[in-house]
Amino acid sequence: AQTVTQSQPEMSVQEAETVTLSCTYDTSESNYYLFWYKQPPSRQMILVIRQEAYKQQNATENRFSVNFQKAAKSFSLKISDSQLGDTAMYFCAFAIPQGAQKLVFGQGTRLTINP
Amino acid sequence: DVKVTQSSRYLVKRTGEKVFLECVQDMDHENMFWYRQDPGLGLRLIYFSYDVKMKEKGDIPEGYSVSREKKERFSLILESASTNQTSMYLCASTTGTAKIEQYFGPGTRLTVT
Repeated sequence: AQTVTQSQPEMSVQEAETVTLSCTYDTSESNYYLFWYKQPPSRQMILVIRQEAYKQQNATENRFSVNFQKAAKSFSLKISDSQLGDTAMYFCAFAIPQGAQKLVFGQGTRLTINP
Repeated sequence: DVKVTQSSRYLVKRTGEKVFLECVQDMDHENMFWYRQDPGLGLRLIYFSYDVKMKEKGDIPEGYSVSREKKERFSLILESASTNQTSMYLCASTTGTAKIEQYFGPGTRLTVT
């Protein structure tokens, strides 16, 4: 069975700073996907970034980038030039592409960006 | 844009009541999911469905059942609500293609008193 662990329940940084959220996972699968989802206060969960395990290049989406270390089973999210709108719960998640593509989530990290 | 809607944002029910949570998606997605979200536990999968009338148990199905009579609608049923089912419930859907991305509804915060 796959597991996903986020060891930082809460983080807080000042606006414009860079912040890194940690995620580790455990799996015996060779082909899988990793995700970071964002859940703003009282708003819907949305996908921030996705990484395919077979790709060596780290995914980036504007100010969001990941550090994917396959051997270490680590998948951290870096947010550059943080903005007030980045305040949210962030969830790391794992899925295999076969079957129903169920997501396995970590516990979440509550990120607060302070003005 | 994909839209996933849930019937209620907030719901208060009494212990022992039968509770229905409805989820509708408008993008012809094959797979639909029900999660429960609790602080410190993240999201845990209750049930999922990969086709009409098909359903499978997730990680925490006890006390819940589901129904999928039409492709766009996936219902979560609490047969006899209990206080330990007080939680946030999230519905999601996905196409089942290699894209994998799940689209989430806004959630229903259920309180059982």
